[in-house]
Amino acid sequence: DVKVTQSSRYLVKRTGEKVFLECVQDMDHENMFWYRQDPGLGLRLIYFSYDVKMKEKGDIPEGYSVSREKKERFSLILESASTNQTSMYLCASSPIEGEQFFGPGTRLTVL
Amino acid sequence: RKEVEQDPGPFNVPEGATVAFNCTYSNSASQSFFWYRQDCRKEPKLLMSVYSSGNEDGRFTAQLNRASQYISLLIRDSKLSDSATYLCVVNTPITPLVFGKGTRLSVIA
Repeated sequence: DVKVTQSSRYLVKRTGEKVFLECVQDMDHENMFWYRQDPGLGLRLIYFSYDVKMKEKGDIPEGYSVSREKKERFSLILESASTNQTSMYLCASSPIEGEQFFGPGTRLTVL
Repeated sequence: RKEVEQDPGPFNVPEGATVAFNCTYSNSASQSFFWYRQDCRKEPKLLMSVYSSGNEDGRFTAQLNRASQYISLLIRDSKLSDSATYLCVVNTPITPLVFGKGTRLSVIA
C-alpha cells in the first residue's frame, strides 16, 4: 500500500513563527504536492515538485516555500506564519502519470 | 471560467436511490479524468478513473463526454456509507491534477 505520512495531525503556532510541515512517501514517486483546503474553496495547490531539488509554484505560493532534498521527502515552510494561513494542509505524491495519493493532512492553527 | 466546476450540493437522497453528479471542465486538451471521494475530516482518495468509453465499478459508473467537456458519476442503490464529498479531477497537459470543489452527498436512512 502506498503510504504518505505527514509529521503532525494538528499544529498550533503563533503569528510570525517559522513553521515546517514535513511529508514523506514510501513508493518512490517522482511527483509530490502541497495543497491547502478551506471550506468553500476546495483544494488549492501551493507548490509541487517533479524531482529532487526541483519545485514549481502552484496557484497560491505566496507566503510559502518548499524544499525537496530527497526523493521521498517534501517540506512546506511558512517563513512567518499569519492567521490567514490557518488551514488544513494536505501533501500528496504520484508517479509520473497517474493518481495522487494523499497524506492524512495537518490542521494548522495560527494564533 | 473555472477549470473544473461541480454543483456543491448537498444532495440528500434516501438509501437505495440512484444519484448522479456532473462536472464540467474548461481545458479541451485535458487528458485524464478521475473521481475522488473525501470523507469528513479525511484525505481525498481515488474512487475511480474515468475512461473515454465509460467504466463501471460495482454500483458506480463514470462517463466522459469530450465533445461537451463533462464527466459524470452515477451511484446506484445508494448506501449510508456513500455519504461523502465527491471530487471531480482533471489532468491538463501543463499543470498537475486540477480538483473541483466537490459535491456533497448525504444518504439518509
